[in-house]
Amino acid sequence: GAVVSQHPSWVICKSGTSVKIECRSLDFQATTMFWYRQFPKQSLMLMATSNEGSKATYEQGVEKDKFLINHASLTLSTLTVTSAHPEDSSFYICSAGSPSGVFTDTQYFGPGTRLTVL
Amino acid sequence: DAKTTQPTSMDCAEGRAANLPCNHSTISGNEYVYWYRQIHSQGPQYIIHGLKNNETNEMASLIITEDRKSSTLILPHATLRDTAVYYCIPTSGTYKYIFGTGTRLKVLA
Repeated sequence: GAVVSQHPSWVICKSGTSVKIECRSLDFQATTMFWYRQFPKQSLMLMATSNEGSKATYEQGVEKDKFLINHASLTLSTLTVTSAHPEDSSFYICSAGSPSGVFTDTQYFGPGTRLTVL
Repeated sequence: DAKTTQPTSMDCAEGRAANLPCNHSTISGNEYVYWYRQIHSQGPQYIIHGLKNNETNEMASLIITEDRKSSTLILPHATLRDTAVYYCIPTSGTYKYIFGTGTRLKVLA
């Protein structure tokens, strides 16, 4: 149980275009989902917290107009990188928390999406 | 949220126990300690978590000191597939995970 998927697993786009990444919780409903970014040889950095039906909360330094997050249902959150530039190339990982679990802090991570902006 | 200190890297012989320490001396009373691992180019995988008592599951054991300032993750019989970066993460119900640099465990054949 507690499987999270991401689509696509990798994407290459041209500078200036927008890219949408989907995060789905396959076998549970997640009130809260999270988006992380990981640069090569670095640790994961939390970008934003996404709650179903409400606006996402962004971490300091993350541009909310550039990284659009939509959490329209309890099983789907999307991250759209708008007007992507080469410096946005990174590994993007989502996670989902189970609202009904006894241990409410547990997060289940997706496999990640590697974005390369040319 | 508590800060953590972990060794940068460790080696372990295949079949032997891997003991991965984590110092979280500033942990507060309501913070759980979570352990995850990340195999290269994959998302982190949940391993185990605990509050005060030692915990064991099919993957690992977690030993938490009585003062809760440190913990040790034990992989009882390491295999090559356990090669990964291991993260300990104190968290207090805010859902906010702060990933440190972790320990890069290399299991040697």
